[in-house]
Amino acid sequence: GAVVSQHPSRVICKSGTSVKIECRSLDFQATTMFWYRQFPKQSLMLMATSNEGSKATYEQGVEKDKFLINHASLTLSTLTVTSAHPEDSSFYICSARTRETQYFGPGTRLLVL
Amino acid sequence: QKEVEQDPGPLSVPEGAIVSLNCTYSNSAFQYFMWYRQYSRKGPELLMYTYSSGNKEDGRFTAQVDKSSKYISLFIRDSQPSDSATYLCAMTWNYGQNFVFGPGTRLSVLP
Repeated sequence: GAVVSQHPSRVICKSGTSVKIECRSLDFQATTMFWYRQFPKQSLMLMATSNEGSKATYEQGVEKDKFLINHASLTLSTLTVTSAHPEDSSFYICSARTRETQYFGPGTRLLVL
Repeated sequence: QKEVEQDPGPLSVPEGAIVSLNCTYSNSAFQYFMWYRQYSRKGPELLMYTYSSGNKEDGRFTAQVDKSSKYISLFIRDSQPSDSATYLCAMTWNYGQNFVFGPGTRLSVLP
């Protein structure tokens, strides 16, 4: 199956700093990628849809100025958590869409101290 | 009514049992149906996807789709403790433009 990578897998940062998470589709091109957030023992929550070459579409309640998304190529989307605070600590997962389905990355665990 | 309904569990079964996981949906436009497995602290892993009604088998896993009843199932034969995870059903229409997940069922296979 198709492979999606995420980097870093884990990051710890101080409150007020910004953190960038990369999502790459390794063996296929993805015009659309998705960013999810997941709290322990809860379902995936879609944050935004990232489209190559255009602005991301954010779900209701997600601050676009806080969660900056850039989809500069057909294989790379980045999520930057700006001025991170402890409440931003979570598990962030990206996925890349094909015509039939989505392939997920392994996730990035963010801990903001 | 939610678009996709799935019993959240938890579901506990003994090792070797046959597991049946199910989802119902309301949108008859859904075209592709998927099952994902998610281990704790990992991203979801695509197990199977199907397009048409009927059964699709892959090793110990069988995916079943009944479009007339708007019902999909995943069967796991000879379940193993390593199958303990959350299983998410998902479906899409409009050639992947619209994608909906079920909330997931937590499965525990006890040795």
